[in-house]
Amino acid sequence: AQKITQTQPGMFVQEKEAVTLDCTYDTSDPSYGLFWYKQPSSGEMIFLIYQGSYDQQNATEGRYSLNFQKARKSANLVISASQLGDSAMYFCAMREAGGTSYGKLTFGQGTILTVHP
Amino acid sequence: NAGVTQTPKFRVLKTGQSMTLLCAQDMNHEYMYWYRQDPGMGLRLIHYSVGEGTTAKGEVPDGYNVSRLKKQNFLLGLESAAPSQTSVYFCASFSAQRLANEQYFGPGTRLTVT
Repeated sequence: AQKITQTQPGMFVQEKEAVTLDCTYDTSDPSYGLFWYKQPSSGEMIFLIYQGSYDQQNATEGRYSLNFQKARKSANLVISASQLGDSAMYFCAMREAGGTSYGKLTFGQGTILTVHP
Repeated sequence: NAGVTQTPKFRVLKTGQSMTLLCAQDMNHEYMYWYRQDPGMGLRLIHYSVGEGTTAKGEVPDGYNVSRLKKQNFLLGLESAAPSQTSVYFCASFSAQRLANEQYFGPGTRLTVT
């Protein structure tokens, strides 16, 4: 079974508008972390935001926020005031804290975001 | 600090040839990883290492071997390249002190096997 699911292969948004990228996950580990990475066309992986399973508040980093709904096992990324430079592939990833996880990340398939002027 | 570096950046191989990808990190991280990225598949873990002299298999280890003789270096080897190994390869490192710590990625190696 897929541990991380991103159901939106592609998303379009108008510049300056907000956009939500969906991510659902599956784990039986009570302690885990959720990450979002951005991959622009140049190919590098850029860390955006982190949410811990025990964090009481949703994570925020500048224009990025994570809408964490633990009961639904979803960790959606919200980008406010989209910019042309936000056009990229976005990956959701999970790290379980269990003894044999060794910090490994499990990635979703990614969502390509295109920001229109 | 250079962070995580990968050598080479691009390579074209013929089927059956061998090569080694080198990953180096200067952050004294304990854990290192090799991923491959195929279109529509996200990143998948090939092998990983939790310390010098130790390696373990990830999700897609077949056709690859790894070694970590020094803490800062993690090598990925292809003994007999196949077209199915055409992919972008990313190395990453991680400090295990906090669950929240991000994995730092290298710039990637684009490998084509003809």
